[in-house]
Amino acid sequence: AQKVTQAQTEISVVEKEDVTLDCVYETRDTTYYLFWYKQPPSGELVFLIRRNSFDEQNEISGRYSWNFQKSTSSFNFTITASQVVDSAVYFCALTKEYGNKLVFGAGTILRVKS
Amino acid sequence: EAGVTQSPTHLIKTRGQQATLRCSPISGHTSVYWYQQALGLGLQFLLWYDEGEERNRGNFPPRFSGRQFPNYSSELNVNALELEDSALYLCASSFGGKSTDTQYFGPGTRLTVL
Repeated sequence: AQKVTQAQTEISVVEKEDVTLDCVYETRDTTYYLFWYKQPPSGELVFLIRRNSFDEQNEISGRYSWNFQKSTSSFNFTITASQVVDSAVYFCALTKEYGNKLVFGAGTILRVKS
Repeated sequence: EAGVTQSPTHLIKTRGQQATLRCSPISGHTSVYWYQQALGLGLQFLLWYDEGEERNRGNFPPRFSGRQFPNYSSELNVNALELEDSALYLCASSFGGKSTDTQYFGPGTRLTVL
């Protein structure tokens, strides 16, 4: 069975601080896909990134960066110089090659204070 | 380009009634997914429809059902409502039916069962 663990329930930072959200996953599949979504108070899940299991390159997009390490089954997300608008619930998710079922972690609430 | 739309925004029903939730995918997307986000249970996969067919189903009782129409929009029906069905129901769509196709989410329907 697949499982995603986001051990940090809630994180509070002050604006401009860097923050890393942890994601650890479990799967027996050799081909799988990892995702991060952001859920602002409005409720809609906003897609941030998708990573394939065979592509361990880290990725940077503006203030966002992702560190994928198969050896530790982790897919961590870092926000550099956080802003108040980054306040949201962040979900890490996993799906295998077939079935299209996203398995989500419990989410991490990020609060960025000005 | 319009995103995934869902209606109604809020729905209040009493125990034992039936609820119908609607979803319109992003133009050009053929797959529609339904997820339940209940307090304390996180985001759970409900159903996946592609080209009018049910392709995958989560661990939910048969009173959760749905369908996809020829225009790719979808309905989720919940019969014999129970108090624990109160949740945010999120619909997502993807361009195709592969796990590599990113799922884009709508704003959700908040179902309250009294």
